[in-house]
Amino acid sequence: KQEVTQIPAALSVPEGENLVLNCSFTDSAIYNLQWFRQDPGKGLTSLLLIQSSQREQTSGRLNASLDKSSGRSTLYIAASQPGDSATYLCAVRRGPHSGAGSYQLTFGKGTKLSVIP
Amino acid sequence: EAQVTQNPRYLITVTGKKLTVTCSQNMNHEYMSWYRQDPGLGLRQIYYSMNVEVTDKGDVPEGYKVSRKEKRNFPLILESPSPNQTSLYFCASSLSGTGTWEQYFGPGTRLTVT
Repeated sequence: KQEVTQIPAALSVPEGENLVLNCSFTDSAIYNLQWFRQDPGKGLTSLLLIQSSQREQTSGRLNASLDKSSGRSTLYIAASQPGDSATYLCAVRRGPHSGAGSYQLTFGKGTKLSVIP
Repeated sequence: EAQVTQNPRYLITVTGKKLTVTCSQNMNHEYMSWYRQDPGLGLRQIYYSMNVEVTDKGDVPEGYKVSRKEKRNFPLILESPSPNQTSLYFCASSLSGTGTWEQYFGPGTRLTVT
């Protein structure tokens, strides 16, 4: 069964710092990996999607990398801002040949980020 | 605007009173799913549907039912809600097949069962 771990569970940084959020997964037979942002009590907003054949994706100040063989992904946030404060969730999707639960998305528990002005 | 919608957004009910949470998407996605989110447990999948009339259990299906009669709609039914079903519920959809399988989420339904 796929397990997704995000470390640290919480992170507090001063405004302007560059930071890295980590995600690890136990089964490397994934179809893709997706990073989400969740504000308190709100829905999930997709940030970046990396297909299993890709190594990284970039969107603005965000860069996500994927090392499938080692079961790791990182989300890099450049020049952090108070508006980046939220919980960041990593999710991995099983491949098509995983039997029952093919294509199922498994989530980590998230990293709660606080950016201090 | 491409989106997943859920109704109601907030619901307080009593034990045993049947309820339905609706979910609709306007992106012509085949794959739809329901999750619940609880503190300390994260997001867990309840049911999913690969296409019309095709549904399957996720990790925590007990106490829930779903149906997929139309491509755009995927309602979640609680036939006899209990207090342990108090949670934040999310509907989601993805373009499957040869698509990217990028997942889009609805805004959530906060359910309280007393």
